Amino acid sequence: DGGITQSPKYLFRKEGQNVTLSCEQNLNHDAMYWYRQDPGQGLRLIYYSQIVNDFQKGDIAEGYSVSREKKESFPLTVTSAQKNPTAFYLCASSIHRDMLRETQYFGPGTRLLVL
Amino acid sequence: AQKVTQAQTEISVVEKEDVTLDCVYETRDTTYYLFWYKQPPSGELVFLIRRNSFDEQNEISGRYSWNFQKSTSSFNFTITASQVVDSAVYFCALSNYGQNFVFGPGTRLSVLP
Repeated sequence: DGGITQSPKYLFRKEGQNVTLSCEQNLNHDAMYWYRQDPGQGLRLIYYSQIVNDFQKGDIAEGYSVSREKKESFPLTVTSAQKNPTAFYLCASSIHRDMLRETQYFGPGTRLLVL
Repeated sequence: AQKVTQAQTEISVVEKEDVTLDCVYETRDTTYYLFWYKQPPSGELVFLIRRNSFDEQNEISGRYSWNFQKSTSSFNFTITASQVVDSAVYFCALSNYGQNFVFGPGTRLSVLP
Protein backbone atom coordinates (compact mmCIF):
# COMPACT_ATOMS: atom_id res chain seq x y z
CA ASP A 1 0.00 0.00 0.00
CA GLY A 2 1.30 3.46 -0.87
CA GLY A 3 1.21 6.10 1.77
CA ILE A 4 2.95 8.23 4.35
CA THR A 5 4.14 6.78 7.61
CA GLN A 6 5.16 8.69 10.69
CA SER A 7 6.82 7.31 13.75
CA PRO A 8 6.53 7.16 16.61
CA LYS A 9 2.87 7.83 17.26
CA TYR A 10 3.71 9.32 20.66
CA LEU A 11 7.03 10.82 21.69
CA PHE A 12 8.16 12.15 25.02
CA ARG A 13 10.90 14.72 25.33
CA LYS A 14 12.85 15.71 28.39
CA GLU A 15 13.98 19.26 28.95
CA GLY A 16 17.04 20.12 26.89
CA GLN A 17 16.77 17.06 24.71
CA ASN A 18 16.67 16.90 20.95
CA VAL A 19 14.20 14.46 19.42
CA THR A 20 13.68 13.34 15.84
CA LEU A 21 10.35 12.57 14.21
CA SER A 22 10.35 10.23 11.27
CA CYS A 23 8.39 10.68 8.04
CA GLU A 24 8.59 8.24 5.15
CA GLN A 25 6.58 8.13 1.93
CA ASN A 26 6.48 5.51 -0.81
CA LEU A 27 4.32 7.56 -3.17
CA ASN A 28 7.30 8.79 -5.20
CA HIS A 29 6.29 12.35 -4.38
CA ASP A 30 8.81 15.12 -4.96
CA ALA A 31 7.71 17.50 -2.22
CA MET A 32 7.38 16.93 1.52
CA TYR A 33 6.21 19.15 4.37
CA TRP A 34 6.11 19.37 8.14
CA TYR A 35 3.28 21.04 10.00
CA ARG A 36 2.59 21.72 13.64
CA GLN A 37 -0.93 21.66 15.07
CA ASP A 38 -1.77 23.05 18.48
CA PRO A 39 -5.07 22.25 20.22
CA GLY A 40 -8.00 24.05 18.64
CA GLN A 41 -5.84 25.60 15.97
CA GLY A 42 -5.08 25.10 12.33
CA LEU A 43 -1.86 23.80 10.87
CA ARG A 44 1.28 25.90 10.66
CA LEU A 45 4.10 25.11 8.25
CA ILE A 46 7.49 24.38 9.81
CA TYR A 47 9.64 23.32 6.86
CA TYR A 48 9.16 22.05 3.36
CA SER A 49 11.30 20.38 0.74
CA GLN A 50 10.58 20.43 -2.97
CA ILE A 51 13.51 18.27 -4.00
CA VAL A 52 16.19 16.07 -2.47
CA ASN A 53 18.98 17.95 -0.68
CA ASP A 54 16.99 21.15 -0.59
CA PHE A 55 14.53 22.53 1.95
CA GLN A 56 13.00 25.85 2.92
CA LYS A 57 11.82 27.38 6.16
CA GLY A 58 8.12 27.75 6.70
CA ASP A 59 6.32 30.10 9.02
CA ILE A 60 7.58 28.68 12.33
CA ALA A 61 10.99 27.12 11.66
CA GLU A 62 12.78 28.38 14.77
CA GLY A 63 13.82 25.53 17.04
CA TYR A 64 13.44 22.89 14.33
CA SER A 65 15.74 21.34 11.76
CA VAL A 66 15.23 18.95 8.84
CA SER A 67 17.16 17.00 6.26
CA ARG A 68 16.22 15.53 2.90
CA GLU A 69 18.91 13.08 1.90
CA LYS A 70 16.49 10.67 0.25
CA LYS A 71 13.37 11.35 -1.75
CA GLU A 72 11.23 9.18 0.48
CA SER A 73 12.41 10.49 3.82
CA PHE A 74 12.05 13.88 5.55
CA PRO A 75 12.90 13.66 9.27
CA LEU A 76 12.19 16.57 11.60
CA THR A 77 14.36 17.29 14.64
CA VAL A 78 12.86 19.26 17.48
CA THR A 79 15.81 20.89 19.18
CA SER A 80 16.19 22.11 22.74
CA ALA A 81 15.83 25.63 21.35
CA GLN A 82 12.14 24.97 20.76
CA LYS A 83 10.72 26.13 24.07
CA ASN A 84 7.17 24.96 23.57
CA PRO A 85 7.37 21.73 21.56
CA THR A 86 4.23 20.03 22.86
CA ALA A 87 2.01 19.66 19.80
CA PHE A 88 0.75 17.31 17.14
CA TYR A 89 3.15 17.08 14.18
CA LEU A 90 1.92 16.19 10.73
CA CYS A 91 4.00 15.27 7.71
CA ALA A 92 2.63 15.65 4.20
CA SER A 93 3.75 15.12 0.63
CA SER A 94 2.67 16.21 -2.83
CA ILE A 95 3.42 14.82 -6.27
CA HIS A 96 5.29 17.74 -7.76
CA ARG A 97 7.24 20.72 -6.56
CA ASP A 98 4.53 23.13 -7.63
CA MET A 99 3.05 23.98 -4.28
CA LEU A 100 0.32 26.09 -5.81
CA ARG A 101 -1.82 23.42 -7.36
CA GLU A 102 -0.72 20.22 -5.77
CA THR A 103 -2.86 18.46 -3.22
CA GLN A 104 -0.99 17.58 -0.06
CA TYR A 105 -1.50 14.13 1.43
CA PHE A 106 -0.93 13.64 5.12
CA GLY A 107 0.52 11.03 7.41
CA PRO A 108 -1.10 9.90 10.69
CA GLY A 109 0.89 12.34 12.84
CA THR A 110 3.16 12.21 15.88
CA ARG A 111 2.09 13.62 19.22
CA LEU A 112 5.04 15.12 21.10
CA LEU A 113 4.83 15.67 24.83
CA VAL A 114 7.36 17.31 27.11
CA LEU A 115 8.10 15.62 30.42
CA ALA B 1 -1.23 38.46 2.76
CA GLN B 2 -3.49 35.50 2.46
CA LYS B 3 -5.85 34.34 5.16
CA VAL B 4 -8.55 31.74 5.71
CA THR B 5 -11.37 32.27 8.19
CA GLN B 6 -13.66 29.58 9.51
CA ALA B 7 -15.92 31.49 11.84
CA GLN B 8 -17.71 28.43 13.20
CA THR B 9 -15.52 26.96 15.90
CA GLU B 10 -17.90 24.11 16.78
CA ILE B 11 -21.16 22.87 15.34
CA SER B 12 -23.46 20.18 16.72
CA VAL B 13 -26.23 18.61 14.70
CA VAL B 14 -28.45 15.59 15.06
CA GLU B 15 -27.98 12.76 12.62
CA LYS B 16 -29.71 13.24 9.25
CA GLU B 17 -29.66 17.01 9.52
CA ASP B 18 -27.93 19.02 6.81
CA VAL B 19 -25.02 21.18 7.89
CA THR B 20 -22.96 23.86 6.16
CA LEU B 21 -19.40 24.73 7.13
CA ASP B 22 -18.31 28.22 6.16
CA CYS B 23 -14.96 29.23 4.71
CA VAL B 24 -13.99 32.77 3.78
CA TYR B 25 -10.59 33.51 2.28
CA GLU B 26 -8.45 36.52 1.48
CA THR B 27 -5.91 36.75 -1.30
CA ARG B 28 -4.74 39.37 -3.77
CA ASP B 29 -3.89 36.83 -6.43
CA THR B 30 -6.19 35.90 -9.28
CA THR B 31 -4.82 32.37 -9.46
CA TYR B 32 -5.21 30.28 -6.36
CA TYR B 33 -6.46 26.93 -5.12
CA LEU B 34 -8.85 26.10 -2.33
CA PHE B 35 -9.01 22.83 -0.43
CA TRP B 36 -11.09 21.10 2.20
CA TYR B 37 -9.67 18.46 4.53
CA LYS B 38 -11.30 16.28 7.17
CA GLN B 39 -9.49 15.39 10.39
CA PRO B 40 -11.21 12.52 12.22
CA PRO B 41 -10.32 11.71 15.83
CA SER B 42 -7.42 9.55 14.63
CA GLY B 43 -5.65 12.76 13.61
CA GLU B 44 -4.75 12.13 9.99
CA LEU B 45 -5.98 14.76 7.55
CA VAL B 46 -8.05 13.36 4.72
CA PHE B 47 -8.23 15.28 1.46
CA LEU B 48 -11.79 16.04 0.31
CA ILE B 49 -11.64 18.50 -2.56
CA ARG B 50 -9.47 20.93 -4.52
CA ARG B 51 -10.87 23.84 -6.51
CA ASN B 52 -9.00 26.37 -8.64
CA SER B 53 -9.97 30.02 -8.79
CA PHE B 54 -11.14 29.83 -12.40
CA ASP B 55 -13.65 27.10 -11.79
CA GLU B 56 -16.71 28.40 -9.96
CA GLN B 57 -18.84 25.39 -10.69
CA ASN B 58 -20.33 23.86 -7.61
CA GLU B 59 -19.45 20.26 -6.97
CA ILE B 60 -21.35 17.39 -5.47
CA SER B 61 -19.86 14.14 -4.31
CA GLY B 62 -22.38 11.87 -2.65
CA ARG B 63 -23.61 13.62 0.48
CA TYR B 64 -20.95 16.32 0.17
CA SER B 65 -21.29 19.50 -1.84
CA TRP B 66 -19.23 22.64 -2.19
CA ASN B 67 -20.31 26.15 -3.10
CA PHE B 68 -17.55 28.43 -4.44
CA GLN B 69 -18.42 32.11 -4.79
CA LYS B 70 -15.61 34.44 -5.82
CA SER B 71 -17.84 37.47 -5.35
CA THR B 72 -17.95 36.82 -1.61
CA SER B 73 -14.58 34.99 -1.37
CA SER B 74 -16.28 31.98 0.10
CA PHE B 75 -15.93 28.25 -0.37
CA ASN B 76 -18.60 26.62 1.78
CA PHE B 77 -19.02 22.92 2.41
CA THR B 78 -22.38 21.23 2.95
CA ILE B 79 -23.01 17.76 4.29
CA THR B 80 -26.47 16.46 3.50
CA ALA B 81 -28.14 13.95 5.80
CA SER B 82 -25.24 13.98 8.23
CA GLN B 83 -24.04 10.78 9.87
CA VAL B 84 -22.14 10.09 13.08
CA VAL B 85 -19.08 9.17 11.00
CA ASP B 86 -18.98 12.75 9.73
CA SER B 87 -17.91 13.91 13.20
CA ALA B 88 -14.49 15.45 12.74
CA VAL B 89 -12.62 18.71 12.44
CA TYR B 90 -12.85 20.20 8.97
CA PHE B 91 -10.20 22.51 7.59
CA CYS B 92 -10.37 24.87 4.66
CA ALA B 93 -7.02 25.80 3.06
CA LEU B 94 -5.72 28.21 0.42
CA SER B 95 -2.62 28.20 -1.76
CA ASN B 96 -1.32 30.66 -4.32
CA TYR B 97 1.91 31.44 -6.13
CA GLY B 98 4.83 32.25 -3.92
CA GLN B 99 2.95 31.51 -0.75
CA ASN B 100 2.75 28.50 1.46
CA PHE B 101 -0.43 26.61 2.15
CA VAL B 102 -2.57 28.53 4.63
CA PHE B 103 -5.05 26.61 6.73
CA GLY B 104 -8.07 27.98 8.51
CA PRO B 105 -8.49 27.26 12.23
CA GLY B 106 -10.94 24.45 11.57
CA THR B 107 -14.55 23.73 12.47
CA ARG B 108 -15.31 20.87 14.84
CA LEU B 109 -18.47 19.07 13.73
CA SER B 110 -20.27 16.77 16.12
CA VAL B 111 -23.07 14.66 14.72
CA LEU B 112 -25.21 13.23 17.48
CA PRO B 113 -27.15 9.98 17.06
